[in-house]
Amino acid sequence: AQSVTQPDIHITVSEGASLELRCNYSYGATPYLFWYVQSPGQGLQLLLKYFSGDTLVQGIKGFEAEFKRSQSSFNLRKPSVHWSDAAEYFCAVGASAGTALIFGKGTTLSVSS
Amino acid sequence: DTGVSQDPRHKITKRGQNVTFRCDPISEHNRLYWYRQTLGQGPEFLTYFQNEAQLEKSRLLSDRFSAERPKGSFSTLEIQRTEQGDSAMYLCASSPSVRDGPSYEQYFGPGTRLTVT
Repeated sequence: AQSVTQPDIHITVSEGASLELRCNYSYGATPYLFWYVQSPGQGLQLLLKYFSGDTLVQGIKGFEAEFKRSQSSFNLRKPSVHWSDAAEYFCAVGASAGTALIFGKGTTLSVSS
Repeated sequence: DTGVSQDPRHKITKRGQNVTFRCDPISEHNRLYWYRQTLGQGPEFLTYFQNEAQLEKSRLLSDRFSAERPKGSFSTLEIQRTEQGDSAMYLCASSPSVRDGPSYEQYFGPGTRLTVT
C-alpha cells in the first residue's frame, strides 16, 4: 500500500534562511509526487509535481524538489524563506492519473524574524 | 478562470442532524474528488467522480455518507445522523482531462469546516 511520511511535524526557520522539508514515500512502482501548501483557512495550493524525467523539479514561489528513487524521497527546498511562506506543507503521492492522492500528515513551517 | 468553490465554508450542527455540502469544480473538469481533513492530519480520500459516475469510495465513507454528482457538474456530500467524530474540514478537488486521459493534478477548493456539537 502507498504511504507518505513527513518526519518533521513543525519546523522554524529564520527569514532569509534556506529550507528543506522532508518527504519519504512507500510505493512499488514509479510514483507521482506532489507538494501542496495550505495557509490557515485556505484550501491546498499545488506547489510542484513530479511525474518523470528530470529529478529536480521547479515549482511556484521559488520552491524546488528533488526526487531520489534510491532514498524514496521527495524533499522540498527553498534557498531563502520569506515570512509569507509560513504555512502547512503536505507531500502527496498518486498511483496513477485521476485516482486518489495519499497525503502525509504535513509539516508546519514557522518563519522567525 | 475561477477556482473550485465550496458552500458553505462553515457549518455548525447538532449531533444527529443531517448536513449537505456543495462543491462546484473548475469549469470543464470532469473528475471531482472529496477528501476529509482532521486536525493535525493530511487530507484523506473519501470518493471521486468522473462526470456523473462515482468511480471509487473509500472505506472511510460509511453508510451515513452519500455523494452525488447528478449532471456531471457540481457535487453534493451529505452526512446523515452526524456524530462528533464527523467534525472535520471537507475538501473538494477537481481535475481536468488531458489528451491521453485524466490529469494527475488536482485543484482544491477552500473546504467546508464542519463542527458537530
